[in-house]
Amino acid sequence: QSVLTQPPSASGTPGQRVTISCSGSSSNIGRNTVNWYQQLPGTAPQLLMYSNIQRPSGVPDRFSGSKSGTSASLAISGLQSEDEADYYCATWDDSLNGVVFGGGTKLTVL
Amino acid sequence: QLQLQESGPGLVKPSEPLSLTCTVSGGSISSSSYYWGWIRQPPGKGLEWIGVIYYGGSAYYNPSLKSRVTISVDTSKKHFSLTLNSVTAADTAVYYCARPAPSGGTAAFDIWGQGTMVTVSS
Repeated sequence: QSVLTQPPSASGTPGQRVTISCSGSSSNIGRNTVNWYQQLPGTAPQLLMYSNIQRPSGVPDRFSGSKSGTSASLAISGLQSEDEADYYCATWDDSLNGVVFGGGTKLTVL
Repeated sequence: QLQLQESGPGLVKPSEPLSLTCTVSGGSISSSSYYWGWIRQPPGKGLEWIGVIYYGGSAYYNPSLKSRVTISVDTSKKHFSLTLNSVTAADTAVYYCARPAPSGGTAAFDIWGQGTMVTVSS
């Protein structure tokens, strides 16, 4: 059972916009910034979004992040086949004094 | 550019310690801005944070693993290490070393090693 809750799966067709949610609590998302990772099959995770809304260099602006209260979301617009991957949210938890990850969302491009 | 590379045994016997090393290349391990961390991923499952260490030595560990984990850093050898004691089959996973981005917070790992699979089996 992960501290952060994500839907196990999401899907969309090419060109569509999809969102992935990440729900937490006052000790984690409520107090700290949220980060998102993309993990392509057989590879290490890659930082996709940090500090809620910031994209690392090289990440397309089709990806965007948001946070409100104790929840956060990752949006992908103009969905492409190469976006098919697992997505994880992560943040610091002040009660656990450590990093917590969501359980991950498997995105399928139909 | 900074690169990380995990190394260590791919097979560990139950109840024995698991020891991995992450070698840092292309940059400094002892910058005051840097933490260094370990994350693992059991086969077919999600990511689990193990812990992070500041180059000066202070460390934070996952509470569920804290009694069995030690992370250390050797600035002279430009590597940091993970030791997990009393392993069981549940510790079978791909183990990643990673660096939190200095500007992104301790949960924003912007540089990852390729990962190393460790199987716990007799």
